[in-house]
Amino acid sequence: NAGVTQTPKFRVLKTGQSMTLLCAQDMNHEYMYWYRQDPGMGLRLIHYSVGEGTTAKGEVPDGYNVSRLKKQNFLLGLESAAPSQTSVYFCASSPDRRTGELFFGEGSRLTVL
Amino acid sequence: GQNIDQPTEMTATEGAIVQINCTYQTSGFNGLFWYQQHAGEAPTFLSYNVLDGLEEKGRFSSFLSRSKGYSYLLLKELQMKDSASYLCAAHILTGGGNKLTFGTGTQLKVEL
Repeated sequence: NAGVTQTPKFRVLKTGQSMTLLCAQDMNHEYMYWYRQDPGMGLRLIHYSVGEGTTAKGEVPDGYNVSRLKKQNFLLGLESAAPSQTSVYFCASSPDRRTGELFFGEGSRLTVL
Repeated sequence: GQNIDQPTEMTATEGAIVQINCTYQTSGFNGLFWYQQHAGEAPTFLSYNVLDGLEEKGRFSSFLSRSKGYSYLLLKELQMKDSASYLCAAHILTGGGNKLTFGTGTQLKVEL
């Protein structure tokens, strides 16, 4: 009963490096989200997807790209990491539009030096 | 734009009652979520209010007034394990889907 799984859990990058965070859900949920959480800022939506093959921008999309090639996976990419992207990243999924409840992964702590 | 406000910190005594308020101004509003988040962990669902009024679930209750853009979370018989951050989130319906917009969270400290 995995739910929402994020990999990796921790990563340290140097400025300018690229990386991809993987989110996988086994609940057949239609909607998936990437949030970042910073002290004093709360959870802020980066990008989200309303179904396989679709993506949309959230509040803070700059510097990130996403892809949803398979329904169960939602990838978050950083093409050229910056220290401002040091954060805890949470992936979440939601079963339907009306219910709205988010099921979160455990988080991925990213540090950019 | 979307605006959600909640107090940054609160302190309460074990066994007492505490009320955490949340005000919101959003478009496309469908309902109001409360999540609990312990340090270093993911948020977990507490409650969801769509209609006005009070919803009770054990020691936790949540209230919503859509006309006032106001919600609160009420925690009774506080326990030390209730020390956590409580996140208020507006459920927004978009053209093709939905999303949650979160407040900055209220850090609750329960003391002996």
